[in-house]
Amino acid sequence: DIQMTQSLSSLSTSVGDRVTITCRASQSIGSYLNWYQQRPGKAPNLLIYAASSLQSGVPSRFSGSGSGTDFTLTISSLQPEDFATYYCQQSYSPPYTFGQGTKLEIK
Amino acid sequence: QVQLQETGPRLVKPSETLSLTCTVSGGSINNYYWNWIRQPPGKGLEWIGYIYHSGSTNYNPSLRSRLTISMDTSKNQFSLKLSSVTAADTAVYYCARIQTVTGTSDFFDYWGQGTLVTVSS
Repeated sequence: DIQMTQSLSSLSTSVGDRVTITCRASQSIGSYLNWYQQRPGKAPNLLIYAASSLQSGVPSRFSGSGSGTDFTLTISSLQPEDFATYYCQQSYSPPYTFGQGTKLEIK
Repeated sequence: QVQLQETGPRLVKPSETLSLTCTVSGGSINNYYWNWIRQPPGKGLEWIGYIYHSGSTNYNPSLRSRLTISMDTSKNQFSLKLSSVTAADTAVYYCARIQTVTGTSDFFDYWGQGTLVTVSS
């Protein structure tokens, strides 16, 4: 299985901050990497697919980059509704695997 | 707008079989991969497996020996059966659709709201 590692399980941050969340794959996965946002009690919501493509309807303050084994999700200016947990997920090969999540908390 | 809805018992006894059904509305079940994903309380996401409209399946090896995913295209439904459950199978179970894009990353674009299934006597 491909292991996905998000180095930070939580991050204290403030409204207006620029935030970067990182994700590392245990082997090269090209650009087969997606990012999801999950609010408490809700299903995950797709933000970014193919490492850097913004899903329709997602605000442009979200962006993704990376390829191979190292990826980042950036929120350019954090909004109150962005305090949530973020997961990366590889679709290079089944079993599809997720990172353990990074929770954005209010500082 | 595609919508998915999970239904099934919320409480299952240890050693018994967990059964859930996902009903797809607002779109066809054909030509997509339909998935089950679970999330233990307070923990991360685990992909369980998928079924294609043709009936072909792919299961997570960690669950394969206990898992069956099936489909009823006439009802726009697919189902999960997980046998010999233990407390470790307590989780929110989501159904989700994979969107495939030629030459690029597949992704989960539509999700059900999730249903908490508790394994307890």
